[in-house]
Order: sequence, then structure tokens, then C-alpha cells
Amino acid sequence: DAGVIQSPRHEVTEMGQEVTLRCKPISGHDYLFWYRQTMMRGLELLIYFNNNVPIDDSGMPEDRFSAKMPNASFSTLKIQPSEPRDSAVYFCASSFRQNNEQFFGPGTRLTVL
Amino acid sequence: GENVEQHPSTLSVQEGDSAVIKCTYSDSASNYFPWYKQELGKGPQLIIDIRSNVGEKKDQRIAVTLNKTAKHFSLHITETQPEDSAVYFCAASMGNQFYFGTGTSLTVIP
Repeated sequence: DAGVIQSPRHEVTEMGQEVTLRCKPISGHDYLFWYRQTMMRGLELLIYFNNNVPIDDSGMPEDRFSAKMPNASFSTLKIQPSEPRDSAVYFCASSFRQNNEQFFGPGTRLTVL
Repeated sequence: GENVEQHPSTLSVQEGDSAVIKCTYSDSASNYFPWYKQELGKGPQLIIDIRSNVGEKKDQRIAVTLNKTAKHFSLHITETQPEDSAVYFCAASMGNQFYFGTGTSLTVIP
């Protein structure tokens, strides 16, 4: 398996623009997680899905953030409108069943100017 | 929710020496404790994990110990090598969600 795939790897956009980050989890995994990593706040869980259903989105910072998982092999994290404080590295991770190793993707480095 | 504290935030050791990173957690219901290594520009990668029914686990140069009574767990790296230089994160979990520590930047000096 190729592991968790994320795209794009880097994204530079201007404030106010819509940003969409994409993730393909490992085949057969039933949990998918979106994290944000910054120097100030470390690794923060934004939202996670079980069998394509959002379970806990309490980490989503505000209504500008939304996430979807239309099928078992694809998820998106959207920021609309983007702001400079959204600049961070966003990771997607997947796992098989609960309380097991989470496999992380390479991340998307987002810069909002 | 769970609160995980990790120390030290930075650690420098000479090649060949041992490195120890310590974490504490607050919720006694946590029962899974993974350790992740993150190299520059990459995502975190699991290096070792331990469940609450075990007190110690070892994998070659890496070991993890867990003290459930004191609610702390530690990562031990022996015979450190330059390629061990990275940021290490501990985490605690009682279900689906991982609560991560703030990370330790380890530098191994050749």
C-alpha cells in the first residue's frame, strides 16, 4: 500500500480564498483523522470519521472549516474564507479500528498571505 | 479531556549515549500509549507503543515503560545514532482520539 496520500503538498493562497485539502486513507482503514500542526499549538485534532461518518468535530476551530468524507477512499478539508492564522501543516491520518496505530500522511503545508 | 505533558522539550546527547523522554497523563482511563517520531518535512511515524496491561516493551534500541499508578510513561533510546535526531511525540488514548504531548526535539551529536 502507498500509505496515506495527501494533496497538495504545499499550498500558498491569499486571504479570503477557498482552500481544499485532500486525503486518501489506507485501504481497509475505517477511521480517518484530520490534524493541524503549528509551533504554538502542536498537533491538534480537528475532526475524525468512522466509516465515513463524522464522529467528533469539536476541534474544528470555526465555521470557516468543514470536512467531508464522501466514500471510504477520499476525504476533504475545506477552509472558506482562509485567513493568515490558518497557516499550518495539515495532516491526515487513518487507522484500522479504534485505539490502534494511526498512519499519518506527509502533510499539506498551507500558507495564507 | 485527557492532558498529556511531555519533557524535556529539547534534548541533546552524544552519539552512543542514551536518551530518555518522559510523559505524564491525567486520565486513568487511558489505555494505549504510542510514541511517534517526526522527521523534518514528514508526517509522524509510530516507533513503539504500549498498552496498559503491559509495564514495559522493547524493540531493539527503543523501549517504553509505563507506570499506571503514577500515570507516566517514558521512551528510552539506547546507543543513539545521528539518524535518531528528530522530534518525538508521546500520546495517550482511551478510545478513538489521541492526545499528543508537545514534542521533544532530540539532537544526536556525532
